Amino acid sequence: NAGVTQTPKFQVLKTGQSMTLQCAQDMNHEYMSWYRQDPGMGLRLIHYSVGAGITDQGEVPNGYNVSRSTTEDFPLRLLSAAPSQTSVYFCASSRPWDGTHGYTFGSGTRLTVV
Amino acid sequence: GNSVTQMEGPVTLSEEAFLTINCTYTATGYPSLFWYVQYPGEGLQLLLKATKADDKGSNKGFEATYRKETTSFHLEKGSVQVSDSAVYFCALRGNYGQNFVFGPGTRLSVLP
Repeated sequence: NAGVTQTPKFQVLKTGQSMTLQCAQDMNHEYMSWYRQDPGMGLRLIHYSVGAGITDQGEVPNGYNVSRSTTEDFPLRLLSAAPSQTSVYFCASSRPWDGTHGYTFGSGTRLTVV
Repeated sequence: GNSVTQMEGPVTLSEEAFLTINCTYTATGYPSLFWYVQYPGEGLQLLLKATKADDKGSNKGFEATYRKETTSFHLEKGSVQVSDSAVYFCALRGNYGQNFVFGPGTRLSVLP
C-alpha cells in the first residue's frame, strides 16, 4: 500500500529553470490535486483533475502546468521557476463526487528557488 | 463560497491538559467535515471526519462533533501528550465531492 508517492522530496532550483514534480497513486482514485503550503497561508489549491484527460485550475495556478494522461500519475510542471514558488508542495488524491471521502496526501516536496 | 475558520494559535499546553481547537465553517448544502494532522516534516494525515449533522468523529483520543446549528466542528482531547505536537487543519468538502476547503491550521505544542 504505497498510497500517494511524491518525488523528489527536496529540490533546489535556480530562477528560470524548469522542473517536474512527480505524483503517483495506486488507489485507483480518479480525483487528484496539487497544493502548496506556505507559512501563514495554509494550503492553497494549484490544479486538480477529476480523471484522466481532465484538468482544471485552482486558486493559484499561474506559473504551473499539469497534465493527466493516466489515472495513476499527475505531474506538476514549473515552466520558469521564480523565488515566489519556494514552498512545500503536496499532492493529494481521493474518490471524486463523494463528499464523504477524505484526501490521501503525499509526503510533500520541499522546493527552494534561488 | 465555502470557507473554514479556525483558531490560528500557536497553542501551548502542558502534558495531560485538555485541548480544544475551534473550527467554524460556512457552506451551502450538507458538507462533510474533517480534521487533518501534520507532524513536523510530514504530509497531512486524516485524523477524523463526520459526514452529517450530529455525527461524532473520533480517533486516537481526539473527538469532534458536527454541529449544524452552530456551524462548528471543534476538536477536543481530554489529555494531550507530547507526541500530539503538530499542526491541525480543519477542512470541509461539499456533498458532491467538490474540492476541499482548508482552514489555516493551528500549531499545537505540548510541553512535558
